[in-house]
Amino acid sequence: GESVGLHLPTLSVQEGDNSIINCAYSNSASDYFIWYKQESGKGPQFIIDIRSNMDKRQGQRVTVLLNKTVKHLSLQIAATQPGDSAVYFCAEIRGNKLVFGAGTILRVKS
Amino acid sequence: DAGVIQSPRHEVTEMGQEVTLRCKPISGHNSLFWYRQTMMRGLELLIYFNNNVPIDDSGMPEDRFSAKMPNASFSTLKIQPSEPRDSAVYFCASSLAGGAEAFFGQGTRLTVV
Repeated sequence: GESVGLHLPTLSVQEGDNSIINCAYSNSASDYFIWYKQESGKGPQFIIDIRSNMDKRQGQRVTVLLNKTVKHLSLQIAATQPGDSAVYFCAEIRGNKLVFGAGTILRVKS
Repeated sequence: DAGVIQSPRHEVTEMGQEVTLRCKPISGHNSLFWYRQTMMRGLELLIYFNNNVPIDDSGMPEDRFSAKMPNASFSTLKIQPSEPRDSAVYFCASSLAGGAEAFFGQGTRLTVV
């Protein structure tokens, strides 16, 4: 039968290439954003965060960019590895609530 | 620290039965969140507590769902009576403060038949 549900965007990248995962948010009052990674069978895991007074933040192999003008976040993963395969969620803090986006599937081809 | 601990990891129950999901947050964290994850709706926030007090339960789907936090180290999410459409993975998360990074448990996979 037909499957109904969220159709998550999928990004397929070759091992060693850089990955860019995008996210749009709706609430211009949100001032704190987090990227989470969720592997199969596990809970979401924190990757990196950014506050609205910044437009860029770097971690180990990951960079988050924030464009408040167009309400857009991106997560860049350098030298993508097979272990990076997962679903990636952006989340925003609204009041004291952590609200998640739909997610993007990242598949790394060896 | 062992992280956020949820039990059981898997639960299969018959429609109409009561289901209780349990969560132990990270020690010292004062905010606790219950989420539900399904293919249809993704990750939905059901309810969150701050200092053991429910702050926002607007995500709780119906009166069949209830959540309690009797102390800083324990919370339950109860569904009574359960229905097949409640089948999902339920996550508990905790954070130092409501607006800070949340740490998630491994989830409880609930199947209602």
